[in-house]
Formats: sequence, C-alpha cells, structure tokens
Amino acid sequence: EAQVTQNPRYLITVTGKKLTVTCSQNMNHEYMSWYRQDPGLGLRQIYYSMNVEVTDKGDVPEGYKVSRKEKRNFPLILESPSPNQTSLYSCASGGWTDNEKLFFGSGTQLSVL
Amino acid sequence: DAKTTQPNSMESNEEEPVHLPCNHSTISGTDYIHWYRQLPSQGPEYVIHGLTSNVNNRMASLAIAEDRKSSTLILHRATLRDAAVYYCILRGSRGAQKLVFGQGTRLTINP
Repeated sequence: EAQVTQNPRYLITVTGKKLTVTCSQNMNHEYMSWYRQDPGLGLRQIYYSMNVEVTDKGDVPEGYKVSRKEKRNFPLILESPSPNQTSLYSCASGGWTDNEKLFFGSGTQLSVL
Repeated sequence: DAKTTQPNSMESNEEEPVHLPCNHSTISGTDYIHWYRQLPSQGPEYVIHGLTSNVNNRMASLAIAEDRKSSTLILHRATLRDAAVYYCILRGSRGAQKLVFGQGTRLTINP
C-alpha cells in the first residue's frame, strides 16, 4: 500500500530537548516536504527536498533542520525546541511531475512545554 | 510563487451540493490545480487535480474556468465527514515546488 509514515503521532517535550520526527515513504518519490499548521495560518512549508542530498528552505525554516540521505526518508530535526514550535506537523511526498498528487502522512502533534 | 485565494469559511447542509471557489489569477500555462483537504488533527489528503479540463473522481468534481484564473471544487452530496479545511494549490515547474497552501476554506456541514 502506498503510504507516507510519520512517527511519532503525538509528542510532548520540554524546551531545549532535541527531537526528531521521522517521515518515510514507500513510493520511490523524489519530492518530499515538511509543513506545519497553526490556527488561522493554514499550512506553511518548512523545508522541501527534490532528491537525495538536495534540500531547500520553505517559508518558515528557522529552528528546523532536515536531511535527505536516502530517497525514502526525510526526517525533521528540532535541535532546541521552543514553545512557539508547538504545532501539527505534516510530511508530504510526491513524484517529480506536477501532474502527480501529493501523499501526506497522518501528522505529528507536537507540544513543547 | 503562484498564489491562490479562497474564502476563509463556508457552511452547507448535509446531502446538499457544495461549491468551493478558488482564485488563481497568476496561474501559468503549465500549473496544475490541486485540491487537498485536512480533517481535524490529521495530515492533508488528496482530493482532485486538473490542468484545463473539468475532472471527476469518486470524491468530487473540479470545474476549471476557461481562462484558468479560477476553479471550483464540487462536492455533489455533502456528508458530515466532508467537514474539513480545503486547500487549493498550484503545482508548476516555475519554482512552485514551495507549494504555498495558504489558509484554505473551513467547510462546516450542518446535519
């Protein structure tokens, strides 16, 4: 079954404690991306990747890191989380062409205390 | 980045059709129009997409204006499970891999 798997589904942590949210896809997609969603602001892109070792900033990259060492994985790293990073995070993947739909993970609800 | 404009919210009744509009006046000739929806506390899910012609699938229909500057997502018979935030985005080759989603339209369905 084609899917994007995000883990964990829910995460509560404290300020400053490094964390990683994993994202994995089984569709051999080149494109992967991370979004955060906050009330009234819709989905905002954090980082995206067009292929292995190719990443680029989205609209809100501050405080986040990503890596794309393998095609299937695109982890999101918060080196020193802060309360303003409390949000719902969604990972997406898709084929190279624009005529292909995006697949999203089921989301990670992060709370930073 | 190509941008879309949607109403913040809409309301409809169960089993009635719903027409969700989207304006994209800066669309380029190669941009595809995609629609996604997001249920509470879930990641977004694909609904439909198209380029020029109207499109139908089991979830919805997509009506694209002749000049492509606007489109309408049509839910033929809304159910309570269709209550979600609906996003219209443009996916094109002109650096639009940043895929700006915007705020979307929050659809409320009344029983």
